[in-house]
Amino acid sequence: EVQMVQSGAEVKKPGESLKISCGGSGYSFSRHWIAWVRQLPGKGLEWMGVIYPGDSDTTYSPSFQGQVTISADKSISTAYLQWSSLKASDSALYYCARLSVRGDPPEDWGQGTLVTVSS
Amino acid sequence: IVMTQSPATLSVSPGERATLSCRASQNVNYNLAWYQQKPGQAPRLLISGASTRATGIPTRFSGSGSGTEFTLTISSLQSEDLAVYYCQQYSDWPLYTFGQGTKLEIK
Repeated sequence: EVQMVQSGAEVKKPGESLKISCGGSGYSFSRHWIAWVRQLPGKGLEWMGVIYPGDSDTTYSPSFQGQVTISADKSISTAYLQWSSLKASDSALYYCARLSVRGDPPEDWGQGTLVTVSS
Repeated sequence: IVMTQSPATLSVSPGERATLSCRASQNVNYNLAWYQQKPGQAPRLLISGASTRATGIPTRFSGSGSGTEFTLTISSLQSEDLAVYYCQQYSDWPLYTFGQGTKLEIK
């Protein structure tokens, strides 16, 4: 069974750095693209970007380019989303999701990581 | 590609039909997915390829359309279908985009 398990909720101050994680199991982690999706409080879903863990090929949606860093460590079947300097506007629920095939929609989603940035 | 969903909120009685719409700003062929997000849960893939139900999705959910106009139909609404429904185009790899969602309420 495919499972995507994300790290727990985080509370941070503006200006702090953060790295959240997404572990994949039940499949060949390095062979499937992983996407990150943001959901602001009470709002819809926003596609942030994707990574191919096999070679760390990464693409960001224009709105998120330069704002976050997506990475992966295939040796431990884990993908990451990180910020170097958080803002209050980064407060949101973040999901990772696995794509079965490049060019298909993501099928398997993590449970989400809530990030709260507040002074 | 901008995805626009309508209506923003839909209120339907149990057993009735619910029809949700999604429009793409340009041709996405059949590269359209629908997701269901229940309160406090992660999104769940319902439909891909505009009309193919994902594994385990009840047959009361059906999708149609191509190009720029798409529809998700729930043939006989159940109380557990209370959720927000999102469409997503995956024609423009890897810059997928979601619609803003339709909130489905049970009358």
